[in-house]
This record gives sequence, C-alpha cells and structure tokens, in this order.
Amino acid sequence: ETGVTQTPRHLVMGMTNKKSLKCEQHLGHNAMYWYKQSAKKPLELMFVYNFKEQTENNSVPSRFSPECPNSSHLFLHLHTLQPEDSALYLCASSPAAGYEQYFGPGTRLTVT
Amino acid sequence: QKEVEQNSGPLSVPEGAIASLNCTYSDRGSQSFFWYRQYSGKSPELIMSIYSNGDKEDGRFTAQLNKASQYVSLLIRDSQPSDSATYLCAVNRDDKIIFGKGTRLHILP
Repeated sequence: ETGVTQTPRHLVMGMTNKKSLKCEQHLGHNAMYWYKQSAKKPLELMFVYNFKEQTENNSVPSRFSPECPNSSHLFLHLHTLQPEDSALYLCASSPAAGYEQYFGPGTRLTVT
Repeated sequence: QKEVEQNSGPLSVPEGAIASLNCTYSDRGSQSFFWYRQYSGKSPELIMSIYSNGDKEDGRFTAQLNKASQYVSLLIRDSQPSDSATYLCAVNRDDKIIFGKGTRLHILP
C-alpha cells in the first residue's frame, strides 16, 4: 500500500443512515485532514488532527464526527446528513501541521 | 484581502505554448509555497514546492517565488492537453496550509 487510501470510494446514503468514511496513510505522517469539495467549488477544510489531537474544527455541523485513533488512521462518522452534504470528501496527510499535504483519492458521497 | 488569491480563469493556452499561473498571498511570514494540480472529479496532486526566492525547475514546470512582492507563479512549458486541470496555490501560515480557490487551465489542441 502506498500513499493515502480512502474507503469507500463511492457512497450513497439516505438521510437517516449512519456511515463512516475511512482514511489510512502509509507515509509516516503525523497530521491528517478532512476536506469537503462540492461540485466546481473550492476545497473546504473541515478538521485537522496533529499528533492525534484535533487542532481545528472549521465550524462543521455535528452530524459530521471525526475520529483519529492513531497517526495513520482517520475516520469521519456521518449521521442524519442532508442532501447538500453530497460532495467529494478528501483526506490528506502531512509530516506535521503546516507542511505539504498529500491527498487520498476521495470518497464521492451522495445523500438521497 | 484574501489570504491566497488566484484568478479563477479559465485560462486558455494553445498547445505547445507556455502557461503562466499566478498567485498572491497576504502573510509576509509565509515560508513554504506549493502548487497542486487537480483534474475534474479527482483529488489534488502536489506538483511543486518552493521555499526560497527565485526559480525552481522540475521538468516542464517552473515555480517562481518573490517574497518581497508576495507573489508565486507556476510556468508550464510546452503545454499539453493533459495539462488541462485546475491548479491550486497553497501557502503555509503558522502551522496551517491555506489553499487558493484555483485557476482552471485549458490547453487548446
């Protein structure tokens, strides 16, 4: 395995479902990130973890709940989402906060 | 003033010509600068990092940094249709990386 991996790559969920997105990095990095990117829009930073500690929550609604059990794994737990939450969710990692980031392939989420 | 500014484009460049992408930033204390390429529907890919004033070349790509003018640019020589993408400028501020909104580049065959 190389780089940053994300599963699933595609997810369709109803508004009452609960699902989780998983990210794993194999780069030995200490910082991990969740971004949201809606169609044809810029990246929106959601959460930052640096050495497993959450250092940023960019006013993200509580229906998104991150979890970082160790420096290699990052989860985004989803519940009672809205159709406007449909987007590409990107995970990234960097050696530490403030360094160059490497992105995973993303999870394309559709909320019906 | 936005922290990282880029012209949204689209920037149309004939195949084989030089594409020039520009970015300005507001924090004079920034020390690290990055260019990412993002194809439609895909994730951003890091293509260049630059930390010192001047030029840095990597293949057909040249990054240029001018800290006094708070300006960083990316030149793509011998542009190819496969270079058509959105190019994101990113700048560090303290322990954060701030991304610009990106410039859409279209290489005309």
